[in-house]
Amino acid sequence: DGGITQSPKYLFRKEGQNVTLSCEQNLNHDAMYWYRQDPGQGLRLIYYSQIVNDFQKGDIAEGYSVSREKKESFPLTVTSAQKNPTAFYLCASSRQGDSYEQYFGPGTRLTVT
Amino acid sequence: KNEVEQSPQNLTAQEGEFITINCSYSVGISALHWLQQHPGGGIVSLFMLSSGKKKHGRLIATINIQEKHSSLHITASHPRDSAVYICAAGSYNTDKLIFGTGTRLQVFP
Repeated sequence: DGGITQSPKYLFRKEGQNVTLSCEQNLNHDAMYWYRQDPGQGLRLIYYSQIVNDFQKGDIAEGYSVSREKKESFPLTVTSAQKNPTAFYLCASSRQGDSYEQYFGPGTRLTVT
Repeated sequence: KNEVEQSPQNLTAQEGEFITINCSYSVGISALHWLQQHPGGGIVSLFMLSSGKKKHGRLIATINIQEKHSSLHITASHPRDSAVYICAAGSYNTDKLIFGTGTRLQVFP
């Protein structure tokens, strides 16, 4: 079945450590996105990539980094510079030119203590 | 003021009741998306619409472009409908989705 996988489901890290969240899709979608979800707030866009080897900052990119070396994969690194990293992170993908119809992964809940 | 506002924030209902969730937006849109998020966190798409009305099973979504308003209706609600429902506007200026904060629905047997 085609879809988006994110791993792990739950992740725990100590403050000051970088951590990388995985996102893989087999939908053959060109565009991929990373969102952050906090209680009482709508999803906020961190980074997005419309094509391999290219990506753009979203609304809250500070303290995060991404890479897009393969069409299927769009890993997100939460760096120690991110002041409030504890959140639920969602990855999504869409066909080129169809950014409104996004397919979402199951999410990763990151807790930093 | 958020560009996409949902109401109510929380909603409880008895099984069988008719449910309405509202979404108002202030941006120009190309499409509006209704999403469902279950307690585990994963999000599924329910509807994407740019005009009129769409129906899928017990779910109906409507949009009024002039009033910048959309509604999601659930007929004959069931406990398995309990979830967070999220409205997302596809802005034609930025080509991105702008998300509402969600409506948490609990349906009791």
